[in-house]
Amino acid sequence: QVQLQQWGAGLLKTSETLSLTCAVFGGSFSGYYWTWIRQSPGKGLEWIGEISHTGSTKYNPSLENRGTISMDRSKQQFTLKMTSVTAADTAIYYCVRSNAAAASGLDPWSRGTLVTVSS
Amino acid sequence: DVVMTQSPLSLPVTPGEPASISCRSSQSLLHKNGYNYVDWYLQKPGQAPQLLIFLSSTRASGVPERFSGSGSGTDFTLKIRRVEAEDVGVYYCMQSLQPPLTFGGGTKVEIK
Repeated sequence: QVQLQQWGAGLLKTSETLSLTCAVFGGSFSGYYWTWIRQSPGKGLEWIGEISHTGSTKYNPSLENRGTISMDRSKQQFTLKMTSVTAADTAIYYCVRSNAAAASGLDPWSRGTLVTVSS
Repeated sequence: DVVMTQSPLSLPVTPGEPASISCRSSQSLLHKNGYNYVDWYLQKPGQAPQLLIFLSSTRASGVPERFSGSGSGTDFTLKIRRVEAEDVGVYYCMQSLQPPLTFGGGTKVEIK
């Protein structure tokens, strides 16, 4: 049973950089896309971006080039960094596995991390 | 971006009765391979969303048979044959045809 466990700072100040890391346990890192999604009361569920097991990335244009997803294949971990955060980036952040090739949905999800941005 | 519109926003249901949620997309989600790239997720209170249905009508592993998905093109439906108390939560549709992946606004299912 694949499990995703994430960690990172939960309280940031405006203009700081958000950094979250997700570790994959109990399954292969290869063959999947590793995704970040956030959920806020105002915007609902929002796809942030993804990285494939080969390292190719895609991002939501709404991030305005502030986001970077990287991975450490040897540790089966992937990381989200988002620069210049504002209150609008306050949300619960989830890391998720995607089997994009088979289009078989986003599964599993991590438990999520609440990130709060204050001035 | 593809806009996903769900209805209703709220759905009070009686246990044992059927329920139906609609999702409409601003563009066709039919891939050239013949599959519709729509998923359905359920977010139970205090939990992360969980996958119910992918490719419009395929149940994910472990999902009870009372859940079914249908539709093609721009109109999709999630049906619960007989609602159980454990089905309460917010249901979301999502398109995975083209990035950025986008979600509907959610339908809150609650017991009457």
